[in-house]
Amino acid sequence: DSGVTQTPKHLITATGQRVTLRCSPRSGDLSVYWYQQSLDQGLQFLIQYYNGEERAKGNILERFSAQQFPDLHSELNLSSLELGDSALYFCASSRTSGGETQYFGPGTRLLVL
Amino acid sequence: GENVEQHPSTLSVQEGDSAVIKCTYSDSASNYFPWYKQELGKGPQLIIDIRSNVGEKKDQRIAVTLNKTAKHFSLHITETQPEDSAVYFCAANSGYALNFGKGTSLLVTP
Repeated sequence: DSGVTQTPKHLITATGQRVTLRCSPRSGDLSVYWYQQSLDQGLQFLIQYYNGEERAKGNILERFSAQQFPDLHSELNLSSLELGDSALYFCASSRTSGGETQYFGPGTRLLVL
Repeated sequence: GENVEQHPSTLSVQEGDSAVIKCTYSDSASNYFPWYKQELGKGPQLIIDIRSNVGEKKDQRIAVTLNKTAKHFSLHITETQPEDSAVYFCAANSGYALNFGKGTSLLVTP
């Protein structure tokens, strides 16, 4: 158990819908990262927040957004969902601002029908 | 940006044999290189890491080597066991991010 929690574990929704994924980092960690994992793309970095502020952006679509709250939990919002958004979404956390050990949560499996 | 290449994409070994996975990176400023193991249905789990001030690190059956000049690093698993079967990811830091290789699916057959 890494100490990173993610909810929900599974999510099934329809195209065009909007969903919110939630992540709580390990106690004491200030950075949260979001990754998308699909079968043919490996782990794709989406976005990083550090202590409430956006720190780095990866291959995140404009339909996706995230935020980190004062209690350091983070939410990833996915809107106008398409079939191709079906994937595993992982959250990871680290102690400081980045480029260091990241601890991954168990993931949310999203299926868009 | 940083590019991490990982080979092979799949690897099958017999129980007791060794397994080697290799990665190369492009950012000469990278100084942290972790390896993750991902079992089916679970999140990646850190198994070993190395920083650029050392060339080799060992933890029981797992070792990692780093060649900064050549910009490559490798994971070595000795005396493999069926429970080592998983997907392994290498990564290298670049600025605030960790850039991951595409993964190696390791199968250890009894």
